[in-house]
Amino acid sequence: EAGVAQSPRYKIIEKRQSVAFWCNPISGHATLYWYQQILGQGPKLLIQFQNNGVVDDSQLPKDRFSAERLKGVDSTLKIQPAKLEDSAVYLCASSLTTYEQYFGPGTRLTVT
Amino acid sequence: GDSVTQMEGPVTLSEEAFLTINCTYTATGYPSLFWYVQYPGEGLQLLLKATKADDKGSNKGFEATYRKETTSFHLEKGSVQVSDSAVYFCALSDGGSQGNLIFGKGTKLSVKP
Repeated sequence: EAGVAQSPRYKIIEKRQSVAFWCNPISGHATLYWYQQILGQGPKLLIQFQNNGVVDDSQLPKDRFSAERLKGVDSTLKIQPAKLEDSAVYLCASSLTTYEQYFGPGTRLTVT
Repeated sequence: GDSVTQMEGPVTLSEEAFLTINCTYTATGYPSLFWYVQYPGEGLQLLLKATKADDKGSNKGFEATYRKETTSFHLEKGSVQVSDSAVYFCALSDGGSQGNLIFGKGTKLSVKP
C-alpha cells in the first residue's frame, strides 16, 4: 500500500514570496490533515478535511495560509506572503479512523 | 486546553540499556494516547496507542500504560538498540469524531553501540 506522498521535500523562498505544498493521501482515506512542525516542537494541526469539507481550521492563519482538497483526494496548502516565522516542516497525514493517522515525509520550508 | 508534556531531551543511552521517556497529559475528557516515532529523514510513524485507562500499548519491544490516576503514558523499552535512535512524540486525541492529535515537543533518543 502506498503511503502519503508530499512534494516538494524541500523549499527555500524569500519572505513575502508565495509557496505551495502538495499532498496525496493514502487511497480511500477520507480524512486529511495538515500540520506545522517548527524546529524543536511537536506538530501543530493547521487544518483538517473530511472528504471535500473543512472540519477544523481554527489554527490556520487565514490571512496568509489557505488550503483546499480537490475532489476529496489531493490537497494543496499555500502560504502567501511568507514570513520568516513560517520556516518549519509541513506534514500531511491521512486517516481511515480517528485512532490512526498516517504521515507523509513532510516538506521542509526555509524562509530567508 | 488539552496539552502533553514530555521529558526534555536529548537522551543518550548505550545499547541494551533500559529506556524510559516520561509523558504526562492534561485533558478535560477521556483522551486516547499515542506514541509516535520519527526516524531521521522520515515521517512520523505510529508506535503504539492506548484508548482507555489501564490499557497497555506495545510494539517492537516498546510499552506504555495509560495511567488515568497519574495522567501519564510513559514509554519504556527493556533493551534499546542503535536502530531505536529517533525522536519520540507523545500525543493525545480528544476522542471525538475529529480525532485531532495534540503532540508533546518530542524527545530525541540517541543509542550508542
